[in-house]
Amino acid sequence: DIQMTQSPSSLSASVGDRVTITCRASQDINSYLAWFQQTPGKAPKSLIYAASSLQSGVPSKFSGSGSGTDFTLTISSLQPEDFATYYCQQYKSYPFTFGGGTKLEIK
Amino acid sequence: QVQLVESGGGVVQPGRSLRLSCAASGFTFSSYGMHWVRQAPGKGLEWVSVISYDGSNKYYADAVKGRFTISRDNSENTLYLQMNSLRAEDTAVYYCAKETYSRSSAYFDYWGQGTLVTVFS
Repeated sequence: DIQMTQSPSSLSASVGDRVTITCRASQDINSYLAWFQQTPGKAPKSLIYAASSLQSGVPSKFSGSGSGTDFTLTISSLQPEDFATYYCQQYKSYPFTFGGGTKLEIK
Repeated sequence: QVQLVESGGGVVQPGRSLRLSCAASGFTFSSYGMHWVRQAPGKGLEWVSVISYDGSNKYYADAVKGRFTISRDNSENTLYLQMNSLRAEDTAVYYCAKETYSRSSAYFDYWGQGTLVTVFS
């Protein structure tokens, strides 16, 4: 199975900040990488697919990059609604696997 | 608009069975593969199973293989997860998710709101 490792596991930032979350795959997954956002008590929301493509309706403040084994999610100009947990996921092969999550908290 | 509504969760004793449903609307259900993903209380996301658009292909996580069965009824626009021999570690919110396609790969676009399964003696 492909292991996905996210860092950091938690992150404190202020409104207006720009933050970057990293995701590393245990083997080459090309660009078969997605990012999700989850707020407490809610279902995950799809943000990015193919490492850098925004899902429909997702604001451009979210951006993704990377290929192979190393990926990043960057969120610019943080707003209160952006404070959530973010997960990466590989969909190159089954079983699909998720990173452990990064909890983004307000400083 | 796409809607995925899970149901069927509840409290069940270890060793018993439960069937989850996911009612889909707002898209051509029979054209898309569907997944189940779960989340134990306070934990991260765990992929459980996938079924192809026509039900001909299915894959499972090792943790549920041989105990869970995914199926679909395209005439009823409904996805199912039959869960047998339930264990305490199966306690989780179960989400269904729709996949979509780009450059011959499939990824999630929509998620349901989830249904809670509690395995408790």
